[in-house]
Amino acid sequence: DAGVTQSPTHLIKTRGQQVTLRCSPISGHKSVSWYQQVLGQGPQFIFQYYEKEERGRGNFPDRFSARQFPNYSSELNVNALLLGDSALYLCASSLEGQGGGDTQYFGPGTRLTVL
Amino acid sequence: LAKTTQPISMDSYEGQEVNITCSHNNIATNDYITWYQQFPSQGPRFIIQGYKTKVTNEVASLFIPADRKSSTLSLPRVSLSDTAVYYCLVGDMGYQKVTFGIGTKLQVIP
Repeated sequence: DAGVTQSPTHLIKTRGQQVTLRCSPISGHKSVSWYQQVLGQGPQFIFQYYEKEERGRGNFPDRFSARQFPNYSSELNVNALLLGDSALYLCASSLEGQGGGDTQYFGPGTRLTVL
Repeated sequence: LAKTTQPISMDSYEGQEVNITCSHNNIATNDYITWYQQFPSQGPRFIIQGYKTKVTNEVASLFIPADRKSSTLSLPRVSLSDTAVYYCLVGDMGYQKVTFGIGTKLQVIP
């Protein structure tokens, strides 16, 4: 079975631009979560989606938005990019998005560089 | 999500068993304990998850005492390729806002 896939692998943008990152979950998984990881730190939670509905949101500005499609894939959008948005953006999927034993599986990430 | 405390870094020689302990004093009844491994510029990789006692899979063992206030990840006979950051997370992994700490940076020495 294919794992979580993300595209693109790398991306370079300039300040003020907008970016869209894409994620395809593991087949059968209905929940997708997004994380931002800056160098030297652990991943920070941005969003969780389940059945196309936003279930959770981390402490990120409104410039960050996301959506989930009927096939459970997801997009993360970031508007008005700042230098501080440079990071590894990770997508994780889980079966139902609830339940103590549910596990999140991560994709390889998208490396975003803002110049 | 329960707060966790784990060592910032550890060194080990190749072939040795490595034990990384995580403290989670305020673990809730429904919380599970999950460990991830992460290599630079890659996504975290699920290692093992448990609720109580001992869990073992093909890559690691997880020991959880009866009070569940701590847990120990055991990696048997580490190799250079096990050099990575290891994260301990406690909570309802599927649902709650998951927060990673800094993790434990394991350096395996030849």
